[in-house]
Amino acid sequence: DTGVSQNPRHKITKRGQNVTFRCDPISEHNRLYWYRQTLGQGPEFLTYFQNEAQLEKSRLLSDRFSAERPKGSFSTLEIQRTEQGDSAMYLCASRPAYRSGNTIYFGEGSWLTVV
Amino acid sequence: QQQVKQSPQSLIVQKGGISIINCAYENTAFDYFPWYQQFPGKGPALLIAIRPDVSEKKEGRFTISFNKSAKQFSLHIMDSQPGDSATYFCAASMIAGTASKLTFGTGTRLQVTL
Repeated sequence: DTGVSQNPRHKITKRGQNVTFRCDPISEHNRLYWYRQTLGQGPEFLTYFQNEAQLEKSRLLSDRFSAERPKGSFSTLEIQRTEQGDSAMYLCASRPAYRSGNTIYFGEGSWLTVV
Repeated sequence: QQQVKQSPQSLIVQKGGISIINCAYENTAFDYFPWYQQFPGKGPALLIAIRPDVSEKKEGRFTISFNKSAKQFSLHIMDSQPGDSATYFCAASMIAGTASKLTFGTGTRLQVTL
């Protein structure tokens, strides 16, 4: 069990640039989540995939954000035209299929700093 | 709309003491209540979780107390140790919901002193 893997761990980008984060969930976990966490706050839900289908998106996910999980395995989160307010830690999490366990396992996060 | 309220924001406890963190929720459809522990620069890690059909769950030094009628639950850390110094988040979700996504509290920064 290698856990949820996220890359890159840190990214500094200039305002207006695009960034992409990758998440590799725990093997055979068909559910995948993206959360955003700012300093001093709890993680906030962004979006959810079951296999390759994106089933739910938060209102926090503006049009500049797009997430994909093309083959139901790894996922990417792209932020276009970054703004300083996008600076946060982006957390990926996964869990097994319904009735196979309730625990959601988080990765170590990808820190984004927009300057 | 903050659906899970957590207190205190920060807590200092002496080694060997009891740390108590409280949470209250609003949505009565929530049926899964985990606590996560987060160290600086790391992602949250599940510590212990409870379903509303029990009032208490204990795992080692960690205990969740659950009060369904009051819509409150709390984490008790017995014999607190310096290694317990971290930020603790309560959370809630609906297991049977489409996403079963977690709604987190704002966190409690715990410092255990020698």
